[in-house]
Amino acid sequence: DSGVTQTPKHLITATGQRVTLRCSPRSGDLSVYWYQQSLDQGLQFLIQYYNGEERAKGNILERFSAQQFPDLHSELNLSSLELGDSALYFCASSPRTGRFNYGYTFGSGTRLTVV
Amino acid sequence: DAKTTQPTSMDCAEGRAANLPCNHSTISGNEYVYWYRQIHSQGPQYIIHGLKNNETNEMASLIITEDRKSSTLILPHATLRDTAVYYCIVPSYNTDKLIFGTGTRLQVFP
Repeated sequence: DSGVTQTPKHLITATGQRVTLRCSPRSGDLSVYWYQQSLDQGLQFLIQYYNGEERAKGNILERFSAQQFPDLHSELNLSSLELGDSALYFCASSPRTGRFNYGYTFGSGTRLTVV
Repeated sequence: DAKTTQPTSMDCAEGRAANLPCNHSTISGNEYVYWYRQIHSQGPQYIIHGLKNNETNEMASLIITEDRKSSTLILPHATLRDTAVYYCIVPSYNTDKLIFGTGTRLQVFP
């Protein structure tokens, strides 16, 4: 157990639907990062939050959004789902932000299947 | 992020040392080298990082050349459980995110 908790572990949903993935960071960590891993694209950085505020953005689609709550847990919302959104979604956390901060702790991921 | 180049795949016999190379010829003087691995469909796992001195921890050793243009991750006694994709990453000084490349797929065989 890495200390980063992601729920649910598996999710199957239909095209056009909306889902929410949840991440609880390791105790004391303020930064949360979301990654998408598709079969053909490797690990893609989506977005980072630090202490409730968006810090960095990657290749995140407009149909996707995220937030970090006061208790530091984060949610990734995926809407108008397409077959191509089927992927593993990983959350990682780290104590802070900025330099010297790349020793992330990853969760075990949520496997999303869109049918 | 500084571009890194790694072999696509490598094999290693169980019990032998696994030496995974990484080229990062465009690395800047203040940029660190990080290594992660991902065992099949699990979340990536941090292994080690370094700036210019060699580093060792309970998992691995990291050897960085004097000119810092390349490094080698060493797993001293590889086991079957070390079979994974290994990523060498050099984050840019002014970025907060890790960008994963394609990594090296290490297969440890009995």
